[in-house]
Amino acid sequence: AQSVTQLGSHVSVSEGALVLLRCNYSSSVPPYLFWYVQYPNQGLQLLLKYTSAATLVKGINGFEAEFKKSETSFHLTKPSAHMSDAAEYFCAVSPRNSGNTPLVFGKGTRLSVIA
Amino acid sequence: DSGVTQTPKHLITATGQRVTLRCSPRSGDLSVYWYQQSLDQGLQFLIQYYNGEERAKGNILERFSAQQFPDLHSELNLSSLELGDSALYFCASSIGLARSTDTQYFGPGTRLTVL
Repeated sequence: AQSVTQLGSHVSVSEGALVLLRCNYSSSVPPYLFWYVQYPNQGLQLLLKYTSAATLVKGINGFEAEFKKSETSFHLTKPSAHMSDAAEYFCAVSPRNSGNTPLVFGKGTRLSVIA
Repeated sequence: DSGVTQTPKHLITATGQRVTLRCSPRSGDLSVYWYQQSLDQGLQFLIQYYNGEERAKGNILERFSAQQFPDLHSELNLSSLELGDSALYFCASSIGLARSTDTQYFGPGTRLTVL
């Protein structure tokens, strides 16, 4: 079964600092991978997704993620944190070639940005 | 705004009661998913419908049921409510069943509080 692990339930960075949120998947066949963001009292919004084209995926709001098969990872980064980035971030997986299947989410990482 | 609407936004009820949560998918989307978000379990998939038919089932309790109507809106029915059912319930929609890469668009959620 597909699973995803997000290392660190809470990450705190200074404004302007690098943001790094970690995600590792568990699957014998690399799945499709997604990052979603959830702002307070709101639903989830797609940041980016990996669908086996380029391994470096650019998303919205300056975020990007790199798929590394050897490390079974899909870490999310942003060069310079902004106060508005404070939110909960979820990594999710979906198995390949199985139709439109439900997502399996990680536990989430809460990002705090300090002024 | 994802285009997915959910009503009501908040629901407060008592143990043993029954409630219905409603979701309208984005225009043109045929698949609807229901997810439960709680502090201890995280984001968990409950059930998926495609064009009126059940397609996948996750960790959905027998006390819970759902359906998708001909106009493609969906309802999640929760009965014999327990304190532990208090959670955020999200609906998501996607265009169809063809590809695992299709984006799921999430609604703002319904916050259920069982007293």
